[in-house]
Amino acid sequence: QKEVEQDPGPLSVPEGAIVSLNCTYSNSAFQYFMWYRQYSRKGPELLMYTYSSGNKEDGRFTAQVDKSSKYISLFIRDSQPSDSATYLCAMSAGSGGGADGLTFGKGTHLIIQP
Amino acid sequence: DTAVSQTPKYLVTQMGNDKSIKCEQNLGHDTMYWYKQDSKKFLKIMFSYNNKELIINETVPNRFSPKSPDKAHLNLHINSLELGDSAVYFCASSPMGYEQYFGPGTRLTVT
Repeated sequence: QKEVEQDPGPLSVPEGAIVSLNCTYSNSAFQYFMWYRQYSRKGPELLMYTYSSGNKEDGRFTAQVDKSSKYISLFIRDSQPSDSATYLCAMSAGSGGGADGLTFGKGTHLIIQP
Repeated sequence: DTAVSQTPKYLVTQMGNDKSIKCEQNLGHDTMYWYKQDSKKFLKIMFSYNNKELIINETVPNRFSPKSPDKAHLNLHINSLELGDSAVYFCASSPMGYEQYFGPGTRLTVT
C-alpha cells in the first residue's frame, strides 16, 4: 500500500460545477497537509495548506482534513476552464525540524469543460 | 520577480556525462529541497538543506551531490548520467518546512 493514494483521473466536469478531489493516506504521523496545482510543464503551485484536522477556505477553494479517517479533500466551487490542471495532495509529519520533504500523491488530472 | 528560479530549463545530454542544475530563491527561506518528478508525474523528495546543512538524503545514488554555497542557493550535480536519470527536477524552498514553494523545473533528458 502506497503512503498516499490519489485517483489519477482524468476527472472531467462542466464549467460551474463543484469539484471534489480526494486523497487517503496510511501514515498517522502526517500533520501538515497541502494541495498543489500543476499546469502542464510548470512547477507545482501551492493552493492550500492545513495543519491537523479541520477545514480551511480560500476564495473558491476549501480544504478539509479528517485525520481519524486519514482522508483529505479539496473542493473547488464555480469551476472555471482555467482550473484545468493536475492537482497534487502532499503531506508532512513535521519532523526533522521542518526540513522533512513532502510525500505526494500521484495527482488527479482535472478537466473543466467550457 | 521570480521567487524560486532554476537553470537551465532544459538539459539534453549523453550517458556518462556530468551536469549541474542551479537553484536560487529570493524569499529569504532557510530550507531548500530537490525533488524528482518521473515520467509518470510522481514527485519524490531527494534532498533537503536547512541553513546550508544537509538534512535529508532519500536513498539517492551517490552520483547525485547537492551543494549549498549559501542559504539562497542549492545546486545539484550529477555524475555519470544514466538513462534512468531522465526526469524533471524541481527545486523548492520553505520558511518552516511545511509550505514549500517550487521552481519551474529542469527537464533533463539523457540519450
